[in-house]
Amino acid sequence: GAVVSQHPSWVICKSGTSVKIECRSLDFQATTMFWYRQFPKQSLMLMATSNEGSKATYEQGVEKDKFLINHASLTLSTLTVTSAHPEDSSFYICSARETGTGEQETQYFGPGTRLLVL
Amino acid sequence: GDSVTQMEGPVTLSEEAFLTINCTYTATGYPSLFWYVQYPGEGLQLLLKATKADDKGSNKGFEATYRKETTSFHLEKGSVQVSDSAVYFCALRNTGGFKTIFGAGTRLFVKA
Repeated sequence: GAVVSQHPSWVICKSGTSVKIECRSLDFQATTMFWYRQFPKQSLMLMATSNEGSKATYEQGVEKDKFLINHASLTLSTLTVTSAHPEDSSFYICSARETGTGEQETQYFGPGTRLLVL
Repeated sequence: GDSVTQMEGPVTLSEEAFLTINCTYTATGYPSLFWYVQYPGEGLQLLLKATKADDKGSNKGFEATYRKETTSFHLEKGSVQVSDSAVYFCALRNTGGFKTIFGAGTRLFVKA
């Protein structure tokens, strides 16, 4: 089946630094990728929808200048947490929708990246 | 707007017990319905799905039937195993949309 990878799987950083998380579709092309955030013991909250070659669409309440998303190719989207603070510590999960499979096709999820900001 | 409500956990069962995790939804149109499973420290994996009313999704002994009349998609398994311990998320994706809406998740503990 389709595989989505994320890198890194774990990152610890100091407050005020920026962290980049990569999301790759390994064996398929993804026009659309999604970034979710999951707090401990809670559900996934959609942060933004990333479209290849265009600006990301952010959900209400998500700061676009704080969470920079770039979808430069059909297999790679990146999320950069700028000037990270301890409250940004979370589990970030991406998912990808395979190009040309129709709107009802399943999203494939990455394994997640755990961010801890000290 | 669209939403998913699932039973609160945690649910604790003994091995070989019967499992039901309730899920109801609110949506316009005709959404597709999903169950995802998340094992500790991992991302989400699709467990099963159903795309129209009366469809039954099944996988690994789990099943769920899309009930439009009751707007429900309850997850069931006849005999759970310790390895089924995980968090289960009910989700929907509506016609014409790319967004997946998730329920809050239900944590399942299975004791040997």
